[in-house]
Amino acid sequence: NAGVTQTPKFQVLKTGQSMTLQCAQDMNHNSMYWYRQDPGMGLRLIYYSASEGTTDKGEVPNGYNVSRLNKREFSLRLESAAPSQTSVYFCASRAGLAGVGELFFGEGSRLTVL
Amino acid sequence: EDQVTQSPEALRLQEGESSSLNCSYTVSGLRGLFWYRQDPGKGPEFLFTLYSAGEEKEKERLKATLTKKESFLHITAPKPEDSATYLCAVQERGSYIPTFGRGTSLIVHP
Repeated sequence: NAGVTQTPKFQVLKTGQSMTLQCAQDMNHNSMYWYRQDPGMGLRLIYYSASEGTTDKGEVPNGYNVSRLNKREFSLRLESAAPSQTSVYFCASRAGLAGVGELFFGEGSRLTVL
Repeated sequence: EDQVTQSPEALRLQEGESSSLNCSYTVSGLRGLFWYRQDPGKGPEFLFTLYSAGEEKEKERLKATLTKKESFLHITAPKPEDSATYLCAVQERGSYIPTFGRGTSLIVHP
């Protein structure tokens, strides 16, 4: 089993460009999350999807949009990238509908915005 | 004020030198407290979940404990392969969202 797969692993963008980070899980999990990790800041939640068909904002949603395409896939879109969005992005999934249990993380997507 | 505070930020140990990492939290009702390990360039990997004060869990050289205000991750006789960043996350009752601390970077020297 692959677990949680993120693509791309690395990306360099220019300010103003757009891109979509893809995330897919093969564990039949209900909940999916997008976090960003910056030095000294820990993991901060951008958006989450408690179940298929629902999405909600997290702590730092500005500049991002998400789509829960189906139960397996949860994508994160940057419409107009800014240097402040340079970060490592992690997708995670969790089995429980009620938001219990551990998170399973992908390997991360490293984004640089010039 | 952060809901989750981890200390120390960084810790250097000699192989075999036992120590503890701290995670203090301020949520009013705890649904769960989680410990994760993160290796450089990798995603966090789950270690433990604790649900109520007094609970303890062990895995190899690691033991996690929980009180009403904090959790400790005890590392007994660490080895260099225990070097990693250890993350603590708490989830408040009624919330879907685990909130992470900033982590403790552990280096174990041979």
